Amino acid sequence: AQSVSQHNHHVILSEAASLELGCNYSYGGTVNLFWYVQYPGQHLQLLLKYFSGDPLVKGIKGFEAEFIKSKFSFNLRKPSVQWSDTAEYFCAGAPNTGTASKLTFGTGTRLQVTL
Amino acid sequence: GAVVSQHPSWVICKSGTSVKIECRSLDFQATTMFWYRQFPKQSLMLMATSNEGSKATYEQGVEKDKFLINHASLTLSTLTVTSAHPEDSSFYICSARKPFTEAFFGQGTRLTVV
Repeated sequence: AQSVSQHNHHVILSEAASLELGCNYSYGGTVNLFWYVQYPGQHLQLLLKYFSGDPLVKGIKGFEAEFIKSKFSFNLRKPSVQWSDTAEYFCAGAPNTGTASKLTFGTGTRLQVTL
Repeated sequence: GAVVSQHPSWVICKSGTSVKIECRSLDFQATTMFWYRQFPKQSLMLMATSNEGSKATYEQGVEKDKFLINHASLTLSTLTVTSAHPEDSSFYICSARKPFTEAFFGQGTRLTVV
């Protein structure tokens, strides 16, 4: 069965600390992977996506993620977090079928950045 | 990126009544839309896939007679919560996706059934 798992449920960091949020997926074939962010009271916004090519993906606001096929992982990283990065982060995956296939979401990671 | 608009943003209804939520893709034609439900501090749970011109595909455990989905055009999908009860109170989110792109999300609808 297709699944996406996030092992960090709640992360608290001080400003300027480095961030890495884990994401693992389980899909039978090739996969499209995404990281979305949900700021308090707002809708989901795309941070970055991986479809193919360079496994190191750069996103908005200084975020990046690395697709490691051998580890079935797509971890999100940021070298130095800001207070404004406080939000809920969701990893999601979809089979790469060439159609508008459904996304499966991980359980989410709540990031709290303290001043 | 594409824009998906959801209406209303919040609604309060009495137990036993029905509520309709609209999801529109404003700048692209979406043959497929998705409806999610999000409980407080939890992830998004896919309820159903809405296919233009055909019946929706519901996820296991989702009551299709309670959550009616209609995708009458390439830019509009509606979710109707029929005979709503307090346990249906939740945050409902729609999304639309084109092939080879990410999913674009509406702002969500907070439903409170009293």
